[in-house]
Amino acid sequence: KNEVEQSPQNLTAQEGEFITINCSYSVGISALHWLQQHPGGGIVSLFMLSSGKKKHGRLIATINIQEKHSSLHITASHPRDSAVYICAVCDMDSNYQLIWGAGTKLIIKP
Amino acid sequence: EAQVTQNPRYLITVTGKKLTVTCSQNMNHEYMSWYRQDPGLGLRQIYYSMNVEVTDKGDVPEGYKVSRKEKRNFPLILESPSPNQTSLYFCASSLRGTGRVLGYTFGSGTRLTVV
Repeated sequence: KNEVEQSPQNLTAQEGEFITINCSYSVGISALHWLQQHPGGGIVSLFMLSSGKKKHGRLIATINIQEKHSSLHITASHPRDSAVYICAVCDMDSNYQLIWGAGTKLIIKP
Repeated sequence: EAQVTQNPRYLITVTGKKLTVTCSQNMNHEYMSWYRQDPGLGLRQIYYSMNVEVTDKGDVPEGYKVSRKEKRNFPLILESPSPNQTSLYFCASSLRGTGRVLGYTFGSGTRLTVV
């Protein structure tokens, strides 16, 4: 079993829909990262969370440490949001190392 | 502009011909790391460096070397590339916080093909 599981693996939605991507992990963590990889390959760091909730524009990330679960939400989705969204956790026991999820491929249709 | 600069973006080479992919950051970050990304396997760490002259193996270090002689540079060296090293490579850097990495900045990626 992978230590970081993302769901769904693939998601196709219509423009304007509210999007939720989930990340569950099984290890003790000091922080969780959400990243975005565009079709051209570039990777951008979206959020780093250790508790609660963060918001940036139409993106919202939440984390529940007790349940070992995080969600990334996109409100009023737009085709330019189409990308792969990756969750990664900073393992408490492995000294700065990240454990990566496999990614969720999101396609937003106009 | 704060950034991680990776070169080259694309490289096609032949088996056995030594190559170096350069990575440079201008943010004074202590932590730097190399990843490879393959379809269906996600990002896998090759090597990382906590600071100058401090490097360590990641999950898939075989066939790769790194060095960290200066804080800003972290080159990835393939002494004798093989076709199974055909992949998309990313360099990343970060500040180190207490017990964790504080956010990542990624390079643009290097698409390497070994024939």
